[in-house]
Amino acid sequence: KNEVEQSPQNLTAQEGEFITINCSYSVGISALHWLQQHPGGGIVSLFMLSSGKKKHGRLIATINIQEKHSSLHITASHPRDSAVYICAAPRGGGADGLTFGKGTHLIIQP
Amino acid sequence: DAGITQSPRHKVTETGTPVTLRCHQTENHRYMYWYRQDPGHGLRLIHYSYGVKDTDKGEVSDGYSVSRSKTEDFLLTLESATSSQTSVYFCAISAGHMEKLFFGSGTQLSVL
Repeated sequence: KNEVEQSPQNLTAQEGEFITINCSYSVGISALHWLQQHPGGGIVSLFMLSSGKKKHGRLIATINIQEKHSSLHITASHPRDSAVYICAAPRGGGADGLTFGKGTHLIIQP
Repeated sequence: DAGITQSPRHKVTETGTPVTLRCHQTENHRYMYWYRQDPGHGLRLIHYSYGVKDTDKGEVSDGYSVSRSKTEDFLLTLESATSSQTSVYFCAISAGHMEKLFFGSGTQLSVL
């Protein structure tokens, strides 16, 4: 069974700062998901990546398959980036579905 | 936005009563999932389906059953609700096993 760990659990930063959220997992995977959960509860998929780096606007996700580690970066952070960011990896052992990290609660202060 | 609807959005029920939550999609996606989200645990997989009448258990399946008689509908049933099943329930869909996930808006269930 894959174990997914995220750090930090909570992060408060000032507007404009560069943000990094880390995710590590225990079982080798083919791809990893990054999700965003808004303060109202809705969950959206940000990235699914299997190697290297992906960029969408001010969000950048990287993954190192060999080291079983992924990072989510936010450049020029803004208060509207305040949300819970969640990484998820396949459950492993041939089972379908994902195992989720507990999330990083990010607050960007003006 | 992906066409995925959960109903009801909120429900309060009593211990011992049966409860059914519905997930409806208009995307014709093959995979459908039920997750629960609790403080300190993150999202946990209850059951999932990989096609009509094809379902399998997740990591927290005890006390829950599911059915999928049509591609578009995935039902989650609590046969006899307990207070430990108070949670927020999310349905998700994907076109394939490792494809992008789309989530419903969630159902807040309170079992008193």
